[in-house]
Amino acid sequence: AQKITQTQPGMFVQEKEAVTLDCTYDTSDQSYGLFWYKQPSSGEMIFLIYQGSYDEQNATEGRYSLNFQKARKSANLVISASQLGDSAMYFCAMREGYYGGSQGNLIFGKGTKLSVKP
Amino acid sequence: DVKVTQSSRYLVKRTGEKVFLECVQDMDHENMFWYRQDPGLGLRLIYFSYDVKMKEKGDIPEGYSVSREKKERFSLILESASTNQTSMYLCASGLAGRWNEQFFGPGTRLTVL
Repeated sequence: AQKITQTQPGMFVQEKEAVTLDCTYDTSDQSYGLFWYKQPSSGEMIFLIYQGSYDEQNATEGRYSLNFQKARKSANLVISASQLGDSAMYFCAMREGYYGGSQGNLIFGKGTKLSVKP
Repeated sequence: DVKVTQSSRYLVKRTGEKVFLECVQDMDHENMFWYRQDPGLGLRLIYFSYDVKMKEKGDIPEGYSVSREKKERFSLILESASTNQTSMYLCASGLAGRWNEQFFGPGTRLTVL
């Protein structure tokens, strides 16, 4: 079973509007972290936002916010006031527990391609 | 600023060649990772290392090996490159115990002919 599911392969949004990118996850761990990365056409993975499983408040970073609904196991990314430069692939990822006593790797979803229209 | 660098942005090799992909980070991170990215599949973990000379297999280690002789450097080795290893390879690093950070390099797009 997929651990991270991003159901939207592609999305369009009008410039200056808000957009929500969906992400659901599957884990039996109590401690985990959820990440969103942006990957523009240049290929570099750019960290956007992080939510820990014990964080009570939804994470926010500038125009990015994470709508964390623990009971539903969803961690949607909300981008407010979209800009043309937001056009990119967006990946949701999860880190579960600890592996070998050290920090575990990230498990990625398949990504959502966001296109911002002028 | 954390810097993760990869030796090449683009690489073209022939089937059967031995290929080395190098990754260097300058922030004294304990953990380093190699991922492979393919369209429609997202990123998949090949190998990771949480200390010098330590390595752990990820989800798709077959056909790959790694080397970590120094803390700052993590190498991915394709012993005998095959066409199905044509892909984007991304290196990442992070501090042990810092859950909310994992920094990526710019990626190496490898084509095996």
